Amino acid sequence: EIVMTQSPATLSVSPGERGTLSCRASQSVTSNLAWYQQKPGQAPRLLISGASTRATGVPARFSGSGSGTEFTLTISSLQSEDFAVYYCQQYNNWPLTFGGGTRVEIK
Amino acid sequence: QVQLVESGGGVVQSGRSLRLSCVASGFTFSNFAMHWVRQAPGKGLEWVAVIWYDGNEKYYGDSVRGRFTISRDNSKNTLYLQMDSLRAEDTAIYHCARDSFGYCSAGHCYSDSLDYWGQGTLVTVSS
Repeated sequence: EIVMTQSPATLSVSPGERGTLSCRASQSVTSNLAWYQQKPGQAPRLLISGASTRATGVPARFSGSGSGTEFTLTISSLQSEDFAVYYCQQYNNWPLTFGGGTRVEIK
Repeated sequence: QVQLVESGGGVVQSGRSLRLSCVASGFTFSNFAMHWVRQAPGKGLEWVAVIWYDGNEKYYGDSVRGRFTISRDNSKNTLYLQMDSLRAEDTAIYHCARDSFGYCSAGHCYSDSLDYWGQGTLVTVSS
């Protein structure tokens, strides 16, 4: 099983600042990596697939990068609606696995 | 628009069974692989199972293999999860989700990102 490790567990950021979230895979997942956003009481929402492709309707302030084992989700200028939990997920191997999540909170 | 609506959750005793349903609308259900993903209270996401378009290919997570069965009825646009021998650690919100571009080739199936998710249904297993 591929283990996905996200850091930091909590990211405290002021509105308008840049936020950088990391995700590491225990072995290569090539570019088969997705990022999801989840707000309290809501279903996860797909943000990024293929490590760097924004899903339909996702604002341009969200960007993904990386390949192999190291990945980054960057939020260029955090808006109030961006404070949430973010999960990475690999779909290169079975079973599909998720990282433990990064909570982005208001500083 | 794409909608996924789960039902069937509730409180059940350890060792008993429960069947979850997920009704899909807004897209051609029979063209997509479908997943179940669960989330224990206050915890992260755990993938449970996937079933391909025609129901012939199914994969399971290690923690549920042999106890849970995923199935689908394309005539009813409905995905199911039969959960047997339930344990306290199965307590979670169960979400169904659509696989955006998953496909099968040469006897193996490949997943893609999960592009639409339902709100989920809560399963509580009491000991």
